[in-house]
Amino acid sequence: DSGVTQTPKHLITATGQRVTLRCSPRSGDLSVYWYQQSLDQGLQFLIQYYNGEERAKGNILERFSAQQFPDLHSELNLSSLELGDSALYFCASSLAPPGNEQFFGPGTRLTVL
Amino acid sequence: DAKTTQPTSMDCAEGRAANLPCNHSTISGNEYVYWYRQIHSQGPQYIIHGLKNNETNEMASLIITEDRKSSTLILPHATLRDTAVYYCIAKSNFGNEKLTFGTGTRLTIIP
Repeated sequence: DSGVTQTPKHLITATGQRVTLRCSPRSGDLSVYWYQQSLDQGLQFLIQYYNGEERAKGNILERFSAQQFPDLHSELNLSSLELGDSALYFCASSLAPPGNEQFFGPGTRLTVL
Repeated sequence: DAKTTQPTSMDCAEGRAANLPCNHSTISGNEYVYWYRQIHSQGPQYIIHGLKNNETNEMASLIITEDRKSSTLILPHATLRDTAVYYCIAKSNFGNEKLTFGTGTRLTIIP
């Protein structure tokens, strides 16, 4: 158990819909990262927040957005969903930059039908 | 981040040492070598990292060549639970905290 929690574990929805994935980092960790893992793209970095502020952006689509709240939990919002958004979404946390060790949550499996 | 190259797959007998190679010939002086693994569809798990010197922890050992162009992750006594995809990542710790995962090595431990 990494100490990072993600909800829900599974999510099935239809194209065009909007969903919110939630992540609670390990106690004391200030950085939260979001990664997407699909069959054709592998594990890809989406976005990072540090203490409530966006710190780095990766291959995140315009339809996706995220935020980190004052209690340090984070949410990833995915809108106008397409079939290709079906993937595993992982959240990771680390104590602070430079983030030597990232602790990953169990992931949310999103299926878009 | 420097590109890393790993074999696609490897097998290892249970109880033997598993040696996973990684090539990172273009690594720069401030880039560390990190290893993570992913068991089935679980979240990736940190194993070990190093800069120049060999490193050991309770999970594994990391051997980095003197020219830093390649490294080997060693699992000393592989068990069936070590079956996973292992990722070698070259990453600077300054101004870049994201992990760039390649395709990794699928390690299968054979009973």
